[in-house]
Amino acid sequence: EAAVTQSPRSKVAVTGGKVTLSCHQTNNHDYMYWYRQDTGHGLRLIHYSYVADSTEKGDIPDGYKASRPSQENFSLILELASLSQTAVYFCASSDEQYSGNTLYFGEGSRLIVV
Amino acid sequence: GDSVTQTEGLVTLTKGLPVMLNCTYQTTYSPFLFWYVQHLNEAPKLLLKSSTDNKRTEHQGFYATLHKSSSSFHLQKSSVQLSDSALYFCALSDRSGSWQLIFGSGTQLTVMP
Repeated sequence: EAAVTQSPRSKVAVTGGKVTLSCHQTNNHDYMYWYRQDTGHGLRLIHYSYVADSTEKGDIPDGYKASRPSQENFSLILELASLSQTAVYFCASSDEQYSGNTLYFGEGSRLIVV
Repeated sequence: GDSVTQTEGLVTLTKGLPVMLNCTYQTTYSPFLFWYVQHLNEAPKLLLKSSTDNKRTEHQGFYATLHKSSSSFHLQKSSVQLSDSALYFCALSDRSGSWQLIFGSGTQLTVMP
């Protein structure tokens, strides 16, 4: 079965600090994504990537950077964490970029910024 | 732009009763609709999906029919179980070449004994 693992699963960060959320997939998928989940807003796309060493902006990229050093790994970076970035973050992968493809999600990383 | 609306934020039911979770969408292109389910402290997983008008799609006792005439893709089950308690997301992608999924705000289903 498809496997996407995230670390850390939970983190408390200080406002203005740097946070890195990591994602590793063993699905051999080309596409990887970072979503943010907030109560009442569903899942919103932050960044995505379709090949190593390349990332693209999603719907809400402000305040976030992404890095895809290899096919298996995709990181989300908050250079200057802010209170508004308190949320649950999900990484996902898929094998193709077309309508109807299935996303395989990790179990989420809960970030609290204080 | 594209959008997905889930009108119920929270649904509470007693075990054995039927349920329908509403999902409507807006797009100017041919739609592909999905239901994802997220159990507590787990990853969201695909429950079912469809792009065929007026065809019922079923999985794990849940079913949904895409109705393009009413822009709806409601999720139903005839008899809910305690294990169905979860957060359910409706999502949309269109066939214009914009593959990105647009998620609804989610419906939390709680099944009581």
